[in-house]
This record gives sequence, structure tokens and C-alpha cells, in this order.
Amino acid sequence: KAGVTQTPRYLIKTRGQQVTLSCSPISGHRSVSWYQQTPGQGLQFLFEYFSETQRNKGNFPGRFSGRQFSNSRSEMNVSTLELGDSALYLCASSPRDSSFSGELFFGEGSRLTVL
Amino acid sequence: DAKTTQPTSMDCAEGRAANLPCNHSTISGNEYVYWYRQIHSQGPQYIIHGLKNNETNEMASLIITEDRKSSTLILPHATLRDTAVYYCIVRVRQGAGGTSYGKLTFGQGTILTVHP
Repeated sequence: KAGVTQTPRYLIKTRGQQVTLSCSPISGHRSVSWYQQTPGQGLQFLFEYFSETQRNKGNFPGRFSGRQFSNSRSEMNVSTLELGDSALYLCASSPRDSSFSGELFFGEGSRLTVL
Repeated sequence: DAKTTQPTSMDCAEGRAANLPCNHSTISGNEYVYWYRQIHSQGPQYIIHGLKNNETNEMASLIITEDRKSSTLILPHATLRDTAVYYCIVRVRQGAGGTSYGKLTFGQGTILTVHP
């Protein structure tokens, strides 16, 4: 079974631009969560999507948004990029059904550098 | 979710057991203890979880004290590839309708360095 796939793996943007990151969950997993990891703040929860609806949201500004498609694939978007948005963005999937034991499956992440 | 406290860093010799402690003195009765690890530049990886009984899988063992206020993750024979940041997380095990299904609250974790 293929793991969680995130694209692109690396990207460089300049301040003021916007970026879209993609996440394909494990086949059969319907829940997708996004996390931001920086050296200063560590791993922080951004938001979670299930059945194309945002179910939970972390404490991030409105510049951070996401969506989920009917095939459970998810994208997150960051508009008006700031230097502080440089981070590793991680996606995690889970089945969100009766088999769920609390385990999230993470992808390798997309490393964003803002210049 | 209950807060956890872990040592900032630990060292272990290759082939020896690595014992990583975690304090969660405010844990509630319905909260589980989860362990994840993150090898440099990779996504976190689930290791094990438990409620009150000791648990073992192919990766590690989890020992939870009787009062559930602390736990220890044991890697029985540490290898160089076990060098990583280990996170202890306490959370309610969500039912299918839970609103915090995909939300984990990560602390700073313990940097485990395994050396030859």
C-alpha cells in the first residue's frame, strides 16, 4: 500500500507570492490533516479535512487555507507569503472509521523556503 | 489534551536498551499515551500507544505506571537508525465522529542519539 504522498517536496518562493501544496492520502483514508514544522515553534496543527469539510482548525491566520476533494486528496494554500512561513509542511492521513486507533500516517513533507 | 514533559535529550549505546521517560501527571481517565518519532527531515512515524496496560509491538514496548502519571518507551536493542526525536503525546482516542481526529499536540520531544 502506497504511503502518504506530498508534492512538491521542495520549493522556493518570494515574499508576497502564494503557494499550493498537495497531499494524496493512503488509499482508503478519508481524513487528512496538515501540520507546520519550524525550528522555533516545532510541529503545529494547521487543520483537518474529512468528507471535503474542514473539521478542525489550528491557530493560524486566514492566509492559510485548505480544501479536500471527493477522492480525499487535499491541498493547502498559503497566500501573501511571509518570511516566517518558511517551514516543513506535513500532511497526515487516517481512516477515520471504527478501525482507527489514533495512529496518523505522515508524508515526507513539503519544504517551503520564502525569500 | 494533557500536557507531557520529556527530557530534552538522551544518549544510548548501540545494541543497548533505550528507555525514554514521559511525565503526564494530569492525564485523564479516557486519554491514551501515544509515541511518535521523527527521523531527521522525515515525517513523524507512529510507534506505539496504550491506555493503562503495558504494550509491546515489533518496534518498542510501552510501560505505563499504575497511576498513569508517567510512562516509558523502551527500544530493546537500539540501532543507529533509531536516532530521532521521540514525542510522547496524550490524547483522547477519538471515535469516528470526534472533532479532533487528526489533531496531535506535539511538544518538543526527546532527541535520542544512538552511538556506536
